[in-house]
Amino acid sequence: DQQVKQNSPSLSVQEGRISILNCDYTNSMFDYFLWYKKYPAEGPTFLISISSIKDKNEDGRFTVFLNKSAKHLSLHIVPSQPGDSAVYFCAAKGNNDMRFGAGTRLTVKP
Amino acid sequence: NAGVTQTPKFRILKIGQSMTLQCTQDMNHNYMYWYRQDPGMGLKLIYYSVGAGITDKGEVPNGYNVSRSTTEDFPLRLELAAPSQTSVYFCASSYSRGAGANVLTFGAGSRLTVL
Repeated sequence: DQQVKQNSPSLSVQEGRISILNCDYTNSMFDYFLWYKKYPAEGPTFLISISSIKDKNEDGRFTVFLNKSAKHLSLHIVPSQPGDSAVYFCAAKGNNDMRFGAGTRLTVKP
Repeated sequence: NAGVTQTPKFRILKIGQSMTLQCTQDMNHNYMYWYRQDPGMGLKLIYYSVGAGITDKGEVPNGYNVSRSTTEDFPLRLELAAPSQTSVYFCASSYSRGAGANVLTFGAGSRLTVL
């Protein structure tokens, strides 16, 4: 069963504009949510996380919002830069494991 | 500072062959994981380990085996390779005490093709 879902396989935005990537989950026992970024031929790298007791976490151009009642989180990147072009994975921390979504490919056009 | 090292980077197997994907980390992390990435399917957890001598199944364990005899190493064994095991495999590790975000550090991946 897909406990973490990213329903948009791709997103294209103009440089300087906001990128919004979405993620939904089904398991209310997840206690942390994370976003990872992946470039081709490399492993995913950690970007930002949020505890389930928070509703917002900000780190520079990256902000993650969590809506627990809707079981939904989003990653905002502003302003978007061409170097942000990558696949972004949403992940959720369970008891001892980490579950990932299918990923969203972000393309930032100059 | 090597982080998580996976070998080999690429491998082609024939149906029915066996092989081991090697993973080693030098960060003294207690948790280690194996994921596979199929196109459009994201990362699926195969097996994980919370410490030496302890392993547990993830979402897609069938056709694989693991062992964790040391903190550093977490090899993934494929017995009787099948075309459905064609994928990119990622090993990851983290330091976790249960609480906290448990940020994973990933290796660069191993691309396996079964023909």
